[in-house]
Amino acid sequence: GAVVSQHPSWVICKSGTSVKIECRSLDFQATTMFWYRQFPKQSLMLMATSNEGSKATYEQGVEKDKFLINHASLTLSTLTVTSAHPEDSSFYICSAKIAGPWDEQFFGPGTRLTVL
Amino acid sequence: GQQLNQSPQSMFIQEGEDVSMNCTSSSIFNTWLWYKQDPGEGPVLLIALYKAGELTSNGRLTAQFGITRKDSFLNISASIPSDVGIYFCAGQRGGSEKLVFGKGTKLTVNP
Repeated sequence: GAVVSQHPSWVICKSGTSVKIECRSLDFQATTMFWYRQFPKQSLMLMATSNEGSKATYEQGVEKDKFLINHASLTLSTLTVTSAHPEDSSFYICSAKIAGPWDEQFFGPGTRLTVL
Repeated sequence: GQQLNQSPQSMFIQEGEDVSMNCTSSSIFNTWLWYKQDPGEGPVLLIALYKAGELTSNGRLTAQFGITRKDSFLNISASIPSDVGIYFCAGQRGGSEKLVFGKGTKLTVNP
């Protein structure tokens, strides 16, 4: 149980285009999902916290107009990188928190974004 | 954002050896978590610690939540080649859903 999927697993796009990444909790409902960015050989940095049916909360320094987050249901959150640039190339990972008193987050397999 | 101080950054060991890594923080955390990440994959939870002083095992892995709530360590006994990967500690403060990650320990196990 507690499986989180991401789609696509990798994507290459041209500079200036937008890319949407999906995060799904497959066998549980997630009231809260989190989006992280990980640069090569570095740790995970939280970008935003996404709650179902409400606006995402962004971490300091993360542009909300560039990284659009939509948490439309208890099993799906999407991250759209708008007007992507090469510096946005990174490994994007989502996690989902099971609805209830537990604190445990389950991570997706990540999406490798390369912007040419 | 803040990160935890995790050490060592990398380790090269022989198969069968024991491994120890730790995380420290200048502030208190209510939950400590240890994850393993394989290349191109998301982190997988190994052990979760919820109480100061707690010592928890998961197979060959043992982790402890420091008494001061500012540190945690992870031990791996009798390492095997599939232990290779990057290990991250993560802390969570009371009342917050956010995880703060360490910089990771890259483990290499030579057969």
